[in-house]
Amino acid sequence: DAGITQSPRYKITETGRQVTLMCHQTWSHSYMFWYRQDLGHGLRLIYYSAAADITDKGEVPDGYVVSRSKTENFPLTLESATRSQTSVYFCASSESTGTAYGYTFGSGTRLTVV
Amino acid sequence: DQQVKQNSPSLSVQEGRISILNCDYTNSMFDYFLWYKKYPAEGPTFLISISSIKDKNEDGRFTVFLNKSAKHLSLHIVPSQPGDSAVYFCAAMSGGAQKLVFGQGTRLTINP
Repeated sequence: DAGITQSPRYKITETGRQVTLMCHQTWSHSYMFWYRQDLGHGLRLIYYSAAADITDKGEVPDGYVVSRSKTENFPLTLESATRSQTSVYFCASSESTGTAYGYTFGSGTRLTVV
Repeated sequence: DQQVKQNSPSLSVQEGRISILNCDYTNSMFDYFLWYKKYPAEGPTFLISISSIKDKNEDGRFTVFLNKSAKHLSLHIVPSQPGDSAVYFCAAMSGGAQKLVFGQGTRLTINP
């Protein structure tokens, strides 16, 4: 199906473990983004990518790593998970000139670090 | 440094009445503003946007007003319906940056 999909939907991991959240879009959008949603903070940008092999930091990048070897995929890796990274993570994509409609978001991944 | 602020965490409105959600911003470089709506366990979905060259944009029951001198925008929903109950996020971007900056969100509850 066309769209943007995130996996897994729910994940529980232990402190110190590495975990990767997946994001896949079928539109060939140039831009992809990772946000985390926390109460009182709204949505905060972690990393974004303007095209394959081009990534840049957002507002809260510490503790996260991204890669984008293919246009359609933008995985987010927590190298050594901490409890402060317990959050809901949203992936989004947009066309390069998509300012009128902003982004299209995935359904989110709820990550709990214990 | 919160560049986009939604100072009301929650709002309760009676069905049929007008809902007004407010948003303030500090960065004068922002030139595009958007509202997103989010239901539980779903991603945010685009609702309405406005360019900084306009002061009003209307789409059905939804109208966004922009006051650039006050760095303030508002979303009006009229009449409010039960299906409007959701969290609403205000967002802003400067066109060249292609990065959306979001507010904290306002939870709107429409009471029957």
